[in-house]
Formats: sequence, C-alpha cells, structure tokens
Amino acid sequence: GQNIDQPTEMTATEGAIVQINCTYQTSGFNGLFWYQQHAGEAPTFLSYNVLDGLEEKGRFSSFLSRSKGYSYLLLKELQMKDSASYLCAVRASDRGSTLGRLYFGRGTQLTVWP
Amino acid sequence: SQTIHQWPATLVQPVGSPLSLECTVEGTSNPNLYWYRQAAGRGLQLLFYSVGIGQISSEVPQNLSASRPQDRQFILSSKKLLLSDSGFYLCAWSVRRLAGGNEQFFGPGTRLTVL
Repeated sequence: GQNIDQPTEMTATEGAIVQINCTYQTSGFNGLFWYQQHAGEAPTFLSYNVLDGLEEKGRFSSFLSRSKGYSYLLLKELQMKDSASYLCAVRASDRGSTLGRLYFGRGTQLTVWP
Repeated sequence: SQTIHQWPATLVQPVGSPLSLECTVEGTSNPNLYWYRQAAGRGLQLLFYSVGIGQISSEVPQNLSASRPQDRQFILSSKKLLLSDSGFYLCAWSVRRLAGGNEQFFGPGTRLTVL
C-alpha cells in the first residue's frame, strides 16, 4: 500500500520561513506533488518533483530525496494569504497501469500570524 | 486555456435520496478524469477515475457510481445516499501521458451534506 505522512498543523509569523515535511512509503513511485488548499476551496497545484533535489518557484521551493522517501515544501517571506492546508501527494503506478494515480496525505494546516 | 466546472456548488440531501454530481472540462481533449471525496479532517480519497469514454475504475467499493458519457463529462451518482456520504466532492483532470508529471487540476468542488 501507500503511506504518506505530514504534520497536521504548523504555525509561523509573517515574513518568516517555514518547512513542511512529507515522508512516504510507496511502490511504483513516479513523482511527488505539493498542492495548496484554502478553506472551502479546491486544491491548487504548487510543485512537482520526480528527481532528487530542489525545485524553486518564487517564494516556494520543494525538495525530494527518493532514497529517503522524503520531501519538503519551503515557504519563504510568509504572507497572511499563505495560511492554508498544504497537501503532499505521491504519484505511483499500480498493477502495470500507466495512469499513475495520486495518493494524498492528510494535509498540513499552516497558520500565518501577523 | 483549460477550465473545469462542477455543479452544484452545494447540496443538502436527505438520507436515502439519489445523487447526481456533474463535472465538465473545457479546453482539452482525452483527459484523465477523477472523482475525489474529502471528508472533514481527512485527506483526499480517490473514488473513481476514467481514462476514456465509458471507462471507469472504482477505487473504493461503496454506494456510489460514476459514468463518463462524453469525453469531457464525468458524473458521480448514487441511488440512495448515506449519512457517511457527506463531504466535499472534487472532480479533477490531467493530461493523458504515459510518463512524466501529470499534475491534476481540480474543479471548485461540491459540498454535500446528507441529513
């Protein structure tokens, strides 16, 4: 089966840096995604890693270590609008399928204080 | 550009009543389509996915069903709703690729409350 773990909640202050960790145990790994979900809204795509290393996109960066089954999302210069749930999702191919479905963690609720 | 629509946005239904949620995608062809449910305090649970018209795969056995009558239309149904069917239902699409990142793009969701 697939197992994805991330902290339930985190808090930080405006302007700070926060790192949200995600560990996974999966077979047929084929990429890791981070999504942002504001309360009552749909998730929106933030980043994708399939190779080891850091991917940077403005204030957001995502890191992957496949050997460790570990990823993190780094948010810099936090703003109030960054308060949201951050979902880690692993893409894995099952039973020889090319679909590569996503398995989601439960999300990390980030609260940014002024 | 691609857009994904879901309706209705919110729904309150009595236990035992039928359900039909609709999802349509515009601006792309041959997408993979997905139905997820997000219950309060829980992660996204994949319910169904489809790689083409009439092709539906079920991930979780339950009283829900899905259909794909047209390439860009995906419908979630139930004949008799249960209290446990309450949740936030999300439709998503992705480009059909054999390899590489195929991020999923989510619709606005339908919040279903079963009373």
